[in-house]
Amino acid sequence: QSALTQPASVSGSPGQSITISCTGSSSDVGGQNYVSWYQYHPGKAPKLMLYGVSNRPSGVPDRFSGSKSGSTASLTISGLQAEDEADYYCNSYVNSSTLWVFGGGTKVTVL
Amino acid sequence: EVRLVETGGGLVQPGGSLRLSCAASGFTFSDHFMDWVRQAPGKGLEWVGRARNKASSFSTEYSASVKGRFIISRDDSKNSLYLQMNSLKTEDTAIYFCTRDSRSHYIDYWGQGTLVTVSS
Repeated sequence: QSALTQPASVSGSPGQSITISCTGSSSDVGGQNYVSWYQYHPGKAPKLMLYGVSNRPSGVPDRFSGSKSGSTASLTISGLQAEDEADYYCNSYVNSSTLWVFGGGTKVTVL
Repeated sequence: EVRLVETGGGLVQPGGSLRLSCAASGFTFSDHFMDWVRQAPGKGLEWVGRARNKASSFSTEYSASVKGRFIISRDDSKNSLYLQMNSLKTEDTAIYFCTRDSRSHYIDYWGQGTLVTVSS
């Protein structure tokens, strides 16, 4: 199973909105609504930001939103803040044997 | 508070073995499937394998890249997950994360990871 495709980097100024794409196939992203997104600061535990394409766990600001069109999922951060600077990874459930496929990660820089 | 703490990483020579442990707390460990995920230097995340719970006969799944070399096990009496890594290759060098499956087709908690370096 190939990794999902994400842009290597995305940047924005404080207060702006940015969007990170995550492109897969009909076998993963396009075939079901089990896309999740994680925020990762190296040296710390990755943190779940969105699940089921667009659902936010308790405690995640509503500045973070998700969507999906065909085999491409997207994470949008609105009102970008300095604390949002991190690596972001998308993930899709595949099936009960292959389980998970991840994106290559996107480094978000707040200018 | 859910906590996952990995231990056991270190430097090992190619062809060698290493056993990682993950101590879980803050939730009913026996209720959840658990996975190992890794991140090689400069690379993205890669799913390694899964250990299901007693209700699913403690069955396991592995990625193609580790199948036949790695063994995942769990001890629900100790709230612990293990990863036995054999016949290690340089490409197994990575940070290894212990993760919890939410039971709804997404990973909801991760540990901080433990670094495994395979090098001569």
